[in-house]
Amino acid sequence: GAVVSQHPSWVICKSGTSVKIECRSLDFQATTMFWYRQFPKQSLMLMATSNEGSKATYEQGVEKDKFLINHASLTLSTLTVTSAHPEDSSFYICSASLGTSNNEQFFGPGTRLTVL
Amino acid sequence: EDQVTQSPEALRLQEGESSSLNCSYTVSGLRGLFWYRQDPGKGPEFLFTLYSAGEEKEKERLKATLTKKESFLHITAPKPEDSATYLCATHNAGNMLTFGGGTRLMVKP
Repeated sequence: GAVVSQHPSWVICKSGTSVKIECRSLDFQATTMFWYRQFPKQSLMLMATSNEGSKATYEQGVEKDKFLINHASLTLSTLTVTSAHPEDSSFYICSASLGTSNNEQFFGPGTRLTVL
Repeated sequence: EDQVTQSPEALRLQEGESSSLNCSYTVSGLRGLFWYRQDPGKGPEFLFTLYSAGEEKEKERLKATLTKKESFLHITAPKPEDSATYLCATHNAGNMLTFGGGTRLMVKP
């Protein structure tokens, strides 16, 4: 149980285009979903936290107008990288929380974004 | 601000050579400490959650322990398939996970 999927697994796009990444909780309803970014040989850095039906809460230094997050249902959150630039190339990972007392997060397999 | 530091950054072991990975933390209102395994190009895979000092959990060749300041992930007689990056993360009262930098473990046959 507690499976989280991401789509696409990898994407290559041209500079200036927008890319949408989907995160789905397949067998549970996720009260909260999280988006992380991971650069090569570095650890995960939290970008934003989103609760279903609410605006996302962004971490300091993360541009909310560039990284649009929509959490329209309890099983789907999307991250849209707008006007992507090469420096946005990274590994984007989402996680979902059941919202129980231990708030354990279940991670998706990640999406590799390469901006040319 | 919560801080999580893992050491060493990289660890090379021979197959069968036991060792320990360290995770030191400073967290406001610790609600749990998580260990994850991450293979290249994949998301973190959950291993353990520890909630209080003195707690220990085991899974196959792995054993995680927790004190008030640090956690250890002990690997007994590792195999090449144990090669991965091991991440620890703390969960605070604000429902935030703070990750350490990870330890890249390489086990040679």
